[in-house]
Amino acid sequence: DAGVIQSPRHEVTEMGQEVTLRCKPISGHNSLFWYRQTMMRGLELLIYFNNNVPIDDSGMPEDRFSAKMPNASFSTLKIQPSEPRDSAVYFCASGEGHGRPQFFGPGTRLTVL
Amino acid sequence: SQKIEQNSEALNIQEGKTATLTCNYTNYSPAYLQWYRQDPGRGPVFLLLIRENEKEKRKERLKVTFDTTLKQSLFHITASQPADSATYLCALTNTGTASKLTFGTGTRLQVTL
Repeated sequence: DAGVIQSPRHEVTEMGQEVTLRCKPISGHNSLFWYRQTMMRGLELLIYFNNNVPIDDSGMPEDRFSAKMPNASFSTLKIQPSEPRDSAVYFCASGEGHGRPQFFGPGTRLTVL
Repeated sequence: SQKIEQNSEALNIQEGKTATLTCNYTNYSPAYLQWYRQDPGRGPVFLLLIRENEKEKRKERLKVTFDTTLKQSLFHITASQPADSATYLCALTNTGTASKLTFGTGTRLQVTL
């Protein structure tokens, strides 16, 4: 199994631009999670899906952030417009839900200038 | 307020010794508690999971204890090796929150020769 796949691995953009991060979960996993990691705040859950349905988006910082999961094998996290404070590493993870282990992708390092 | 606290200071130990990392939580009723390892530039990797009704779990050189009275989990690595050097994160699933995992800030372990 290839594990969780994220793209791009690195993204550098200018303030105000739209950013789209992509994730392919492990086949057969029914839960997908988006996290953000910074030195100051650690690893924070942004949103998670069960069976492609968003369950908890209370961690999404504001309306500039949106996430979709159109099918079981693909999810996107979009930031529009991006701001310098969005600079962080964004991880996607998948799992079988209900407290079971999560499997993380390699992350996308986002830098907003 | 809810907190998951791990020692923010790095733990330095000598090769061959047992490393013990602490995770304390406040205002949670965890159904599950998990430990992850994170290396620089990579996503967290699952190590062990322990349920609320379990006191201890072992896997090779790793041992986790879970004391719901003290609201604490201890993570032990016996016969530590330089390759064990990494950041270790505890994470818990609160009862009733299904798949949602909340992470502590992690403790960096450095094993020296």
